[in-house]
Amino acid sequence: GAVVSQHPSWVICKSGTSVKIECRSLDFQATTMFWYRQFPKQSLMLMATSNEGSKATYEQGVEKDKFLINHASLTLSTLTVTSAHPEDSSFYICSASAVRGGSPLHFGNGTRLTVT
Amino acid sequence: GQNIDQPTEMTATEGAIVQINCTYQTSGFNGLFWYQQHAGEAPTFLSYNVLDGLEEKGRFSSFLSRSKGYSYLLLKELQMKDSASYLCAAMDSNYQLIWGAGTKLIIKP
Repeated sequence: GAVVSQHPSWVICKSGTSVKIECRSLDFQATTMFWYRQFPKQSLMLMATSNEGSKATYEQGVEKDKFLINHASLTLSTLTVTSAHPEDSSFYICSASAVRGGSPLHFGNGTRLTVT
Repeated sequence: GQNIDQPTEMTATEGAIVQINCTYQTSGFNGLFWYQQHAGEAPTFLSYNVLDGLEEKGRFSSFLSRSKGYSYLLLKELQMKDSASYLCAAMDSNYQLIWGAGTKLIIKP
């Protein structure tokens, strides 16, 4: 079945530094990728949607200059959390679809970010 | 506004049957998704309903009534590994997913 690989699984960084999270589709071409954030005991919150070769579409309230998304190829999307602060500590999950604008059926394993 | 309601937590016994309900209000409708999420892990896709009725897939079945804005996920022959959160998500007319907060299912021996 379709596999989405997300790396790293967990990361601890100091406040003010930047962290890059990678999301790869291993056996299909991910035309559309979704980035979510999930706080403990809460539902998934969509941060942004990116189509390969296009600029990401950010949800209201998500700072595009802080959460940089690059989707340069059909198999790789990256999320960079710039100048991370403790309030950015969360579980970040990517998801991919083979169809432009399609549904997030295949999820990566998530990245637990802790900012100290 | 758009809204998804599902119970926060349910408890069931191993080997039994449990039904997790979900009601939704969206601007337009393009289908209802159910996902399973184990603690500390990402969600995994379980089912998708866009027409009324019951879709059966092994021990899991999902039902949809569009006129009532209602869906349920039915889990049979419960196993301890089914302990997880179950997320309901409805797709609106813009093909955006509206997520519920999830139902934490606790299975007891």
